[in-house]
Amino acid sequence: KAGVTQTPRYLIKTRGQQVTLSCSPISGHRSVSWYQQTPGQGLQFLFEYFSETQRNKGNFPGRFSGRQFSNSRSEMNVSTLELGDSALYLCASSPNGPGEQETQYFGPGTRLLVL
Amino acid sequence: AQSVAQPEDQVNVAEGNPLTVKCTYSVSGNPYLFWYVQYPNRGLQFLLKYITGDNLVKGSYGFEAEFNKSQTSFHLKKPSALVSDSALYFCAVRYYSGSARQLTFGSGTQLTVLP
Repeated sequence: KAGVTQTPRYLIKTRGQQVTLSCSPISGHRSVSWYQQTPGQGLQFLFEYFSETQRNKGNFPGRFSGRQFSNSRSEMNVSTLELGDSALYLCASSPNGPGEQETQYFGPGTRLLVL
Repeated sequence: AQSVAQPEDQVNVAEGNPLTVKCTYSVSGNPYLFWYVQYPNRGLQFLLKYITGDNLVKGSYGFEAEFNKSQTSFHLKKPSALVSDSALYFCAVRYYSGSARQLTFGSGTQLTVLP
């Protein structure tokens, strides 16, 4: 089975622009979560989607948004980019709902650099 | 609030020696604990998880972890380290509280296995 795929892998943007990142979960997985990884803050949860509905949201400003499509693929969008948004954005999928026992499988990430 | 701590930023061990990467957690109720490994410029790879049952959990690549409820710890271990085990290791906890189900990660421990 193919793993979680994320596109693009690398991205350079300037302040004030917006960006859309894409994630395709493992085939058959229905839940997708997004995380931001930075050297200073570590791994921080952004949001989780299941059946096209946002089930949980981390403590990020409204500039960060996401959605999930009927085929479970997900996108996240960051508007009005700031320098501090430079990070590795990781997507993870799990088979069923957002249950505590579920193992999340991660993609390789999208490295975003904001200049 | 749930939290997980990795008290060591860096662990060095000689190849062939046993290794331990420490993790402690703080959560009310039953914890669901995970270990992930991250290689440079890669996403996170799942190693193992503790849900319930046997306190010694065996995972991928010869790793195992011991759940200790009284000490609220979930240390990662391997009997004989390999140079290829050098990577960044993350402990994570996930539990249910209202709508909160996200995976909360520790700050990570950089493991270096010296030849």
